[in-house]
Amino acid sequence: DTAVSQTPKYLVTQMGNDKSIKCEQNLGHDTMYWYKQDSKKFLKIMFSYNNKELIINETVPNRFSPKSPDKAHLNLHINSLELGDSAVYFCASSQDWTSGGQETQYFGPGTRLLVL
Amino acid sequence: RKEVEQDPGPFNVPEGATVAFNCTYSNSASQSFFWYRQDCRKEPKLLMSVYSSGNEDGRFTAQLNRASQYISLLIRDSKLSDSATYLCVVDPPQDFNKFYFGSGTKLNVKP
Repeated sequence: DTAVSQTPKYLVTQMGNDKSIKCEQNLGHDTMYWYKQDSKKFLKIMFSYNNKELIINETVPNRFSPKSPDKAHLNLHINSLELGDSAVYFCASSQDWTSGGQETQYFGPGTRLLVL
Repeated sequence: RKEVEQDPGPFNVPEGATVAFNCTYSNSASQSFFWYRQDCRKEPKLLMSVYSSGNEDGRFTAQLNRASQYISLLIRDSKLSDSATYLCVVDPPQDFNKFYFGSGTKLNVKP
């Protein structure tokens, strides 16, 4: 069973398009994240949700909009895609440490986005 | 200054060698530290947490030096399968569940 899954795995699209990436975790975790890993392999947090509530919103263009319909799902919608959005996007989840959980993050397999 | 800095490498070592990586962090109040491993075109996976007293897991030893603000990872008796990028992760105290990742140190273990 895949603990954290993402779809699609690969996404190739034209500049200006709108696309969505979906993430689901079956670990029963309270917190989910979106990270962006650029060509220099630097993994940077974009958003974090705890029990469907946005708790971290980094300096990300507002073309990026996360949505958490329930605590097992965190989707990422990107409007008006730009060349610089090309990267690998990782979803992750962790138990809420404030309730005694572990801080270990479990990552999805990543979505490789290429904007042409 | 970046929150977490690592030597990108690559470190090229023969099988059986001992290799060590360091990672420096900027926030002296940081409390939680981790090493993650990322294989090529794969997701990061937790290798080990780093405790104040240091910890060991088989061939891997992690240590924390608060005075100099760095953590280290030592790999003994390197295996070919240890070839990967090792990411240093710091969880600063002021940001709830926010993790800062280093850009990683690449290790190549050669036969």
